[in-house]
Amino acid sequence: GQNIDQPTEMTATEGAIVQINCTYQTSGFNGLFWYQQHAGEAPTFLSYNVLDGLEEKGRFSSFLSRSKGYSYLLLKELQMKDSASYLCAVRDLNNYGQNFVFGPGTRLSVLP
Amino acid sequence: DSGVTQTPKHLITATGQRVTLRCSPRSGDLSVYWYQQSLDQGLQFLIQYYNGEERAKGNILERFSAQQFPDLHSELNLSSLELGDSALYFCASSGGGGGALEQFFGPGTRLTVL
Repeated sequence: GQNIDQPTEMTATEGAIVQINCTYQTSGFNGLFWYQQHAGEAPTFLSYNVLDGLEEKGRFSSFLSRSKGYSYLLLKELQMKDSASYLCAVRDLNNYGQNFVFGPGTRLSVLP
Repeated sequence: DSGVTQTPKHLITATGQRVTLRCSPRSGDLSVYWYQQSLDQGLQFLIQYYNGEERAKGNILERFSAQQFPDLHSELNLSSLELGDSALYFCASSGGGGGALEQFFGPGTRLTVL
């Protein structure tokens, strides 16, 4: 089956660095996505990893290790507006095509 | 503003009824995805269409169906509604059929089944 785990909640201080971990188990892994979702709003795309390694995009970086079934999202220089839920999602290929499996999300609170 | 539009914004209906949710993708995007987000189950992928054809299927119930029209807008039909169908329904679009590209989400339709 498919399973994605993330911490439910995290708290960090403005200006700090926070790392949100994601572990996954899928049979046909074909890419991992990170999304940000503010309460009551639509998810917005942050990053995509399909090969091992680090992808950097401004204050946000995402890392993938396919052999370990592990990814993390790194947020630097935290701002109050970064308070949101962060969703890890895996694209899984199977006999029926592709499927997108989302983790439960990590609710990040950034404190002053 | 992602460029993806969804109507209606809110929908309140009764159990057993049927509703249709509408989505217009970003200009030029050929792929449309439908997702359901409820408090207890998180974000669930339902189905993807690419240029009018079904491309992928996730956890979509048999009571639900979707289609993508020649002008690329899409509709999600939910029938024999149950209380548990109350959720936020998001539509997203992307340029490619493979889905590797960034998906842009619409604002969602909040469905309440009473």
